[in-house]
Amino acid sequence: AQKVTQAQTEISVVEKEDVTLDCVYETRDTTYYLFWYKQPPSGELVFLIRRNSFDEQNEISGRYSWNFQKSTSSFNFTITASQVVDSAVYFCALSEHQGGSEKLVFGKGTKLTVNP
Amino acid sequence: EAQVTQNPRYLITVTGKKLTVTCSQNMNHEYMSWYRQDPGLGLRQIYYSMNVEVTDKGDVPEGYKVSRKEKRNFPLILESPSPNQTSLYFCASSRAGTAGYNEQFFGPGTRLTVL
Repeated sequence: AQKVTQAQTEISVVEKEDVTLDCVYETRDTTYYLFWYKQPPSGELVFLIRRNSFDEQNEISGRYSWNFQKSTSSFNFTITASQVVDSAVYFCALSEHQGGSEKLVFGKGTKLTVNP
Repeated sequence: EAQVTQNPRYLITVTGKKLTVTCSQNMNHEYMSWYRQDPGLGLRQIYYSMNVEVTDKGDVPEGYKVSRKEKRNFPLILESPSPNQTSLYFCASSRAGTAGYNEQFFGPGTRLTVL
C-alpha cells in the first residue's frame, strides 16, 4: 500500500534559519506524483509543488527548494531564511492511481513554527 | 476565478440531525473528492467521483453519502451525524488526465462540530 511518512511532527525555528521538512514515501508504482501542500493557520490548503517520478531534478522557487531522491524514496522540502509567514502545517502527498481513479495519500503533516 | 467552494464553512449541529455540505467547482473538472482532516491523522479520503453518476468509497466512507448528479457539484451528506464525525472537511477537484495524475484543487474547508 502507498504510504507517506513525515517523521517530524513539529519543528520550531527562529526567523532566518534554514529548515528542512522530511518526507519519505512508499509505492510500488513506477509512475507517480509527489506533492507538497501548505496549510496556514487560516486552514486552507495551498498547493506548493508537484513532481513526477521521472523528474529527479531539484526545484527551487524563491526561498523554497525541493530535493527528490528516488534511491531513498524521499522528497524533502527546504525553506531558506525562514520567515514568520512560513508558520504553517506542511503536508507531503503521494498520488495513488487505482482502478482509473486518482487519490492523494497524505502524510500526517509537519507543523512549522517560525519565531521572530 | 477558478475555484472550489464549500458551504457552510462552519457548522455546529447535534447528533442525528441530517446535514449536507455542498461543494461546487467551476473548472469543469471530472474528478471530485471529499477528505476529512483530523489531528495527528492528516487527510483521509471519504468518497470520490470520477464523473457524473460515478462515485466510489475512499478510506473512511462509513457514515457518509455522496451524489454526483451534475459535473460541478459533489455534496457530502451525513444522514445521522455522530460526534466522531467532528472534523475539518475538504472538497477537491481535478481533471481526469490520461495518467490521472493531476493537481487537485481544494476548497476552503468546512469545520463541522457534532455535539
